[in-house]
Amino acid sequence: KNEVEQSPQNLTAQEGEFITINCSYSVGISALHWLQQHPGGGIVSLFMLSSAKKKHGRLIATINIQEKHSSLHITASHPRDSAVYICAVRSRSGGSNYKLTFGKGTLLTVNP
Amino acid sequence: GAVVSQHPSRVICKSGTSVKIECRSLDFQATTMFWYRQFPKQSLMLMATSNEGSKATYEQGVEKDKFLINHASLTLSTLTVTSAHPEDSSFYICSASPRGLISQPQHFGDGTRLSIL
Repeated sequence: KNEVEQSPQNLTAQEGEFITINCSYSVGISALHWLQQHPGGGIVSLFMLSSAKKKHGRLIATINIQEKHSSLHITASHPRDSAVYICAVRSRSGGSNYKLTFGKGTLLTVNP
Repeated sequence: GAVVSQHPSRVICKSGTSVKIECRSLDFQATTMFWYRQFPKQSLMLMATSNEGSKATYEQGVEKDKFLINHASLTLSTLTVTSAHPEDSSFYICSASPRGLISQPQHFGDGTRLSIL
């Protein structure tokens, strides 16, 4: 079992729909990241969470530390939101180092 | 905002060639940079943690003699894939955060798509 599980793997929506992507993890973490990867491969950090909820424009990210679960929501989705969304958790890797462990990503396609 | 530049973006070369990939933090100092690899339809996997002025820390299963990492300054880390073979074909991407602060989000380069013929 992967340490970070995302669902769904693929998601197709119509423009304007409300989108939810889920992430569950099985390790102790110090933070959780939501990332966006575009077809060319470049990655943009959307959120870094350690508690509760963050909002940026149409994007909302929530986390429940006790349940080891996070969700990324997109309101009023738009075709330009089409990308792979990746959940990554930050944990200690020994000494003072830390590392990110990534989910496999959710491919979101928003149709006009 | 913080920017990480990665170069080259794409490399196609013959088997046996060594390939160097650069990762630069453009407007901040990065004591720690991370190198990842992503095979098609797979997760990003951490290969190694690059520490300025000291040896890199490699993840289990990553050959340190195959993937040479040099972090000679606070703004530059390089990954050299030595004697590359077709199985090394992958998407390589680096990330860094200002001064390695764990309170800061990671900033990613645009990645390097490596194809070994």
